[in-house]
Amino acid sequence: GAVVSQHPSWVICKSGTSVKIECRSLDFQATTMFWYRQFPKQSLMLMATSNEGSKATYEQGVEKDKFLINHASLTLSTLTVTSAHPEDSSFYICSAQSSGFHEQYFGPGTRLTVT
Amino acid sequence: GNSVTQMEGPVTLSEEAFLTINCTYTATGYPSLFWYVQYPGEGLQLLLKATKADDKGSNKGFEATYRKETTSFHLEKGSVQVSDSAVYFCALSVINTGNQFYFGTGTSLTVIP
Repeated sequence: GAVVSQHPSWVICKSGTSVKIECRSLDFQATTMFWYRQFPKQSLMLMATSNEGSKATYEQGVEKDKFLINHASLTLSTLTVTSAHPEDSSFYICSAQSSGFHEQYFGPGTRLTVT
Repeated sequence: GNSVTQMEGPVTLSEEAFLTINCTYTATGYPSLFWYVQYPGEGLQLLLKATKADDKGSNKGFEATYRKETTSFHLEKGSVQVSDSAVYFCALSVINTGNQFYFGTGTSLTVIP
């Protein structure tokens, strides 16, 4: 089946630094990738949708200058959390979708802790 | 608009008990419906799906039927196991909204031996 990986699986960074999270589709071309945020014991909140080669579309309330998303190829999207603060600590999950297919395939998630 | 309302948990069952997790939806178009499962510390895994009314999705003993008349997609399993302990998310996706997924709040299931 379709596999999506994320790297790193967990990261700890200091307040004020930036951290990059990668999302890769391993065996299919992902024309669209989605980034979600999940707080403890809560559902997934869609942050943004990115299509390969174009700018990401951010959901209302998500700061695009803080959460930089790049979808440079059909197999890779990155989320960079800039000037991270403790309130950015969360579980970030990406998903990928291939053109013509309705289903999304989810990555295993990245746990970010900002100290 | 599009939304999913899911039965609140947590749910605790004894092994071999019958499981039902209720899910209802509202949608502006013709949605596909999904159940995802999340094990502790992991991402979401697709459990089953149904793409049109009266379809039944099934996998690993779990079933859910797409009921358009009641706008429901309840998850059932006849005999749960300890290994089924996880959080279950109901979700819908409508093609004309850019394939965006709308998730329920999740239901935590704990199965005790």
